[in-house]
Amino acid sequence: DAGVTQSPTHLIKTRGQQVTLRCSPKSGHDTVSWYQQALGQGPQFIFQYYEEEERQRGNFPDRFSGHQFPNYSSELNVNALLLGDSALYLCASSSAGGSPLHFGNGTRLTVT
Amino acid sequence: GDSVTQMEGPVTLSEEAFLTINCTYTATGYPSLFWYVQYPGEGLQLLLKATKADDKGSNKGFEATYRKETTSFHLEKGSVQVSDSAVYFCALQTDSWGKLQFGAGTQVVVTP
Repeated sequence: DAGVTQSPTHLIKTRGQQVTLRCSPKSGHDTVSWYQQALGQGPQFIFQYYEEEERQRGNFPDRFSGHQFPNYSSELNVNALLLGDSALYLCASSSAGGSPLHFGNGTRLTVT
Repeated sequence: GDSVTQMEGPVTLSEEAFLTINCTYTATGYPSLFWYVQYPGEGLQLLLKATKADDKGSNKGFEATYRKETTSFHLEKGSVQVSDSAVYFCALQTDSWGKLQFGAGTQVVVTP
């Protein structure tokens, strides 16, 4: 049973560029959440997708957007990258019944 | 707003020593409380949880008790191993959709 898978594992971008990160949820899960984890800090909630709609959003600017597909997989898009966007981006999945979150290993984004 | 405060690390211990990581929280309502562990280069794994006051979560020798009167959820293990070296995150959930608020994390280093 595959868990949460994220791609790519590492990414280097230049300031001002755009990036797309991808996530496949654990089998049986229909809800996907994204978190940003800066170095040495705890994860911060970006947003959550359920039934292809953004259901909740944390305190992140509109440069951060997402999408959920009919197969429950999800993308995180970040436009106009800033140096401060460098972080580990974690995807987590759960079922609508409120099961505990299962996290992927993350995508390490470096903005230069 | 909701928040989680953890003791700062790194916490350095010898193998077989007793481990305590303090965690206190501020939240409206009655949150569920979690401990997650992050090994180097990996995502977060759920270690244990408690959903109501006086519940004790336990897993792999780790324990934590939900103390509403002191708003605390301290993590303990009686005899640590080198393999317990990781970063530990305390987190709370106040909504039914699974959004988590994390503490900053506590790095634990266990030496042989």
